[in-house]
Amino acid sequence: QTVVTQEPSLTVSPGGTVTLTCASSTGAVTSGYYPNWFQQKPGQAPRALIYSTSNKHSWTPARFSGSLLGGKAALTLSGVQPEDEAEYYCLLYYGGALVFGGGTKLTVL
Amino acid sequence: QVQLVQSGAEVKKPGASVKVSCKASGYTFTSYAMHWVRQAPGQRLEWMGWINAGNGNTKYSQKFQGRVTITRDTSASTAYMELSSLRSEDTAVYYCARATWVRDSSGKPRGWYFDLWGRGTLVTVSS
Repeated sequence: QTVVTQEPSLTVSPGGTVTLTCASSTGAVTSGYYPNWFQQKPGQAPRALIYSTSNKHSWTPARFSGSLLGGKAALTLSGVQPEDEAEYYCLLYYGGALVFGGGTKLTVL
Repeated sequence: QVQLVQSGAEVKKPGASVKVSCKASGYTFTSYAMHWVRQAPGQRLEWMGWINAGNGNTKYSQKFQGRVTITRDTSASTAYMELSSLRSEDTAVYYCARATWVRDSSGKPRGWYFDLWGRGTLVTVSS
């Protein structure tokens, strides 16, 4: 069974920079896993932020960026705002099937 | 208005089935795929499967294979997710999400582009 792993929790100060990562139990994450990133706030549906590793949606704030880093997919927030406090999920593609990561709870403190 | 409207909350007994609907409006239903994702209380998102709303082709997560059926009614612009043999662990919020399989200008795949989600349907399984 494929497992996608994210940091369970991270804390960042307002205005700071933080990087969330997404690892696959099958090995290094490459562009062929077409990583997606989603933000979810309590009681809300997820909202897509990034697709295909690094592409932003039209509504994605400029402070969010996606990349590949050290064999993992990564989501970097630069100049974090209080409203960025949320759960963040990555989603990887495995030749047809999709698997979500366990999520990272980001606290802005 | 472009939106996905899901059916209301359900309470089911173990062993029963549930069918959740997702009505699309404001766009051409058959031009997109519809994915289903669930989230148990306090747990991660879990991908269940998807349907090509144009031709009806489906792909399911191995975890739910044999228990889940995703269908669509193009005349009603509605997608459905039916889950059978319910157990308590199936208690969750079930979401539908619109997506497109995108390619770059040279035709190379770029993966799934998710852009619209329903608000979720709570399914509670309890005796």
